[in-house]
Amino acid sequence: DAMVIQNPRYQVTQFGKPVTLSCSQTLNHNVMYWYQQKSSQAPKLLFHYYDKDFNNEADTPDNFQSRRPNTSFCFLDIRSPGLGDAAMYLCATSREHRDPTDYTFGSGTRLTVV
Amino acid sequence: LAKTTQPISMDSYEGQEVNITCSHNNIATNDYITWYQQFPSQGPRFIIQGYKTKVTNEVASLFIPADRKSSTLSLPRVSLSDTAVYYCLVGEGRDDKIIFGKGTRLHILP
Repeated sequence: DAMVIQNPRYQVTQFGKPVTLSCSQTLNHNVMYWYQQKSSQAPKLLFHYYDKDFNNEADTPDNFQSRRPNTSFCFLDIRSPGLGDAAMYLCATSREHRDPTDYTFGSGTRLTVV
Repeated sequence: LAKTTQPISMDSYEGQEVNITCSHNNIATNDYITWYQQFPSQGPRFIIQGYKTKVTNEVASLFIPADRKSSTLSLPRVSLSDTAVYYCLVGEGRDDKIIFGKGTRLHILP
């Protein structure tokens, strides 16, 4: 089945040690999104790519970066994780970025910072 | 994006019908109403969208009154597996992203 796959499901990293989370899709969707979801909170959009065009949310900290080397893959880089960055990180895709019925989310990567 | 207000949490029992109401007083003419469901430790998934009156699919029904300032998601005969967070989103579909509000945490009891 076509889907959005996030690896790993669980990631533990040390305070200040760079970490990369990955997302791949077999849907051939144009848009890929990264959301951060802290415990008992709603998902918060960090940024998205429309094809190769990167769109950062205004309140996303500089500590968070993203790369999309090709249509299928997108990475979230956290340059210096702090304890406050512990969260579930969700990747999502859509064909176009104007249809809220068309989003497909991955199962997420739960990041722990120690 | 129109602001939405939902109850923070709700409890219900298996076999009951559950109605979750979302208020969106500032909804614009071109805005659609979309509901997402998120199970524990999973990403959200789309369940239903509507513009006015009533929409029904295999998962839920969505009731929208004439003034469109609120909407009600109806889940028929819920089971334990319907325990999830339900998010109401309002937008015209021309935005380049979806923004989640606080959602309603639904807990189904046996």
